[in-house]
Amino acid sequence: QLVESGGGLVQPGGSLRLSCRASGFTFTSYWMTWVRQAPGKGLEWVASIKQDGSERDYVDSVKGRFTISRDNARNSLYLQMNSLRAEDTALYYCARDQWRTGDFDSWGQGTLVSVSS
Amino acid sequence: QSALTQPASVSGSPGQSITISCTGTSSDVGAYDYVSWYQQHPGKAPKLMISEVSNRPSGVSTRFSGSKSGNTASLTISGLQAEDEADYFCNSFTSTYTYVFGTGTKVTVL
Repeated sequence: QLVESGGGLVQPGGSLRLSCRASGFTFTSYWMTWVRQAPGKGLEWVASIKQDGSERDYVDSVKGRFTISRDNARNSLYLQMNSLRAEDTALYYCARDQWRTGDFDSWGQGTLVSVSS
Repeated sequence: QSALTQPASVSGSPGQSITISCTGTSSDVGAYDYVSWYQQHPGKAPKLMISEVSNRPSGVSTRFSGSKSGNTASLTISGLQAEDEADYFCNSFTSTYTYVFGTGTKVTVL
């Protein structure tokens, strides 16, 4: 099970930290990923992190602003979001993928981030 | 990275078969057999329906099948049922070690 938290309303230029708590599986066996969905829009891959945290990848639009991290001792995934823009407004999902093939076989329910003044 | 191209909508009558296309480039869909398909009902999280082009995860109906030719992947739903009405998204691993989703297809059961 994956449970996201940390979403909310933030002003443009502000920061927010999302969390995703994992349970029921061996967290350290999986790449972890953030995917977002703007209201009424499609899915957009945001970032992924390797099992041990040694590799991280980002979509170009968030590079330099967002940081993905994980705490394997706490079975938790994070997304630090800085310099937020209106276009970052979306429902943010965390998902797992064991072999870095894009087979996201388990998703959380999402946490909503709204960027507005 | 541009989104993969899917038809905006596809419809069919109960019992019919429909196919959703997903067109990318030689840097994503055409580069690897790492294309997956997701079903999303309104207000719900996406659900993995097809992995690695044509593999069906445990619990997914055999009515769902996937294939790929060149830079285009396809999802076929046979024996269309009312519960299949949803949005469908393809996803591909890319040559820059990122992922790209498709634009999404709304499936309507007439």
